[in-house]
Amino acid sequence: DIQMTQSPSSLSASVGDRLTITCRASQNIYSYLNWYQQKPGEAPELLIFATSTLQSGVPSRFSGSGSGTEFTLTISSLQPEDVAAYFCQMTYSTPWTFGQGTKVEI
Amino acid sequence: EVELVESGGGLVQPGGSLRLSCAASGFAFSEYWMSWVRQAPGKGLEWVANIKQDGSQKDYVDSVKGRFTISRDNSKNSIYLQINSLRAEDTALYYCARDVYGAYDPVSGEGPYWYFDLWGRGTLVTVSS
Repeated sequence: DIQMTQSPSSLSASVGDRLTITCRASQNIYSYLNWYQQKPGEAPELLIFATSTLQSGVPSRFSGSGSGTEFTLTISSLQPEDVAAYFCQMTYSTPWTFGQGTKVEI
Repeated sequence: EVELVESGGGLVQPGGSLRLSCAASGFAFSEYWMSWVRQAPGKGLEWVANIKQDGSQKDYVDSVKGRFTISRDNSKNSIYLQINSLRAEDTALYYCARDVYGAYDPVSGEGPYWYFDLWGRGTLVTVSS
């Protein structure tokens, strides 16, 4: 199975900060990488699919990049409503696997 | 309203069984692959299984093969997860999710890309004696 490793596991930042979360795959997954946001007590929501395509309705301060084995999620200006856990997911091959998550606090 | 609503979770003893349900509304259910994803308390997400639009193809993570069975009834806009021989490590919040695929990258030729664009709120399964 392809393993996904996220870093950091948690971070604390200030409103307005630029954040970067990294996700690494154990083998080449091309651009088959998605990002989800899970707010406390809620179900996950899709932010980005295919590495860099923003899901409809997602604020433009979120962006994704990368390819192969290394990917990043960037929040250009952190907002209070961005407090959440963020998960990457690869869908290059089954079983589809997720990173362990990054908890973002303010 | 477009939504997924899970039900059927509960407290069950090790070795027991449960049948989880997920009812879809507000979209053309029969046109979508569907998945189950679980999240152990305080942990990350694990994809469990998915099923094709007509139920003819199913796939599972290795840890549940032979114990879990995914199915669907398009006349009821629902999917199900029959979970048998439950273990403590199956304790989790079980989500159903709508699979989307089909996007292609015209430059690289990659695709189709798969992702989950709709999730339910989950149903909790607790395995304990």
